[in-house]
Amino acid sequence: EDQVTQSPEALRLQEGESSSLNCSYTVSGLRGLFWYRQDPGKGPEFLFTLYSAGEEKEKERLKATLTKKESFLHITAPKPEDSATYLCAVPRYGGSQGNLIFGKGTKLSVKP
Amino acid sequence: DAGITQSPRHKVTETGTPVTLRCHQTENHRYMYWYRQDPGHGLRLIHYSYGVKDTDKGEVSDGYSVSRSKTEDFLLTLESATSSQTSVYFCAIRSTSGSTNEQFFGPGTRLTVL
Repeated sequence: EDQVTQSPEALRLQEGESSSLNCSYTVSGLRGLFWYRQDPGKGPEFLFTLYSAGEEKEKERLKATLTKKESFLHITAPKPEDSATYLCAVPRYGGSQGNLIFGKGTKLSVKP
Repeated sequence: DAGITQSPRHKVTETGTPVTLRCHQTENHRYMYWYRQDPGHGLRLIHYSYGVKDTDKGEVSDGYSVSRSKTEDFLLTLESATSSQTSVYFCAIRSTSGSTNEQFFGPGTRLTVL
């Protein structure tokens, strides 16, 4: 069964304390892995797409990496404004409609 | 900004009443999706559309129907709302430009069924 699992469920960091979020997946024939950021009361905001093992993408203090079984979202020297829930998703195997399976997210809190 | 709007943004209704949520996009995207988001479950696909009058079920479609008579509008209908349908509903479009297939989300509709 196609599945996406994110850990930890919640992460509390001090400002400047770097860490990583994990997204592990079980899906046949990976056709991309997507990271989103979601602020309270808003829709998910697209961050990155990764397509192949070894690929990395960066945006400000965020760097996403991909292996054959998991992806990491590394946060370097986070600031309070990085506080949000981070979601990852993969396309469901089979079909061409792009239907995504989402993980339950990691809620990140960064304290000043 | 993917040019997606949802209406209404908030709605409170009573059990047994019909409810229609609207998603409107301005960029002529072919694929549109309806999700619901609940604590402990994450985002789950309800229905999707791959063109005008072309729709199909997602993983949690029971109790919901959809229609797409124009490219820009995708409607989600709860024929007879139940308390279990209290949720936040998100519409999304899929970008098919180039080699990417990212989905971009609207601002959401918070629905409460009493």
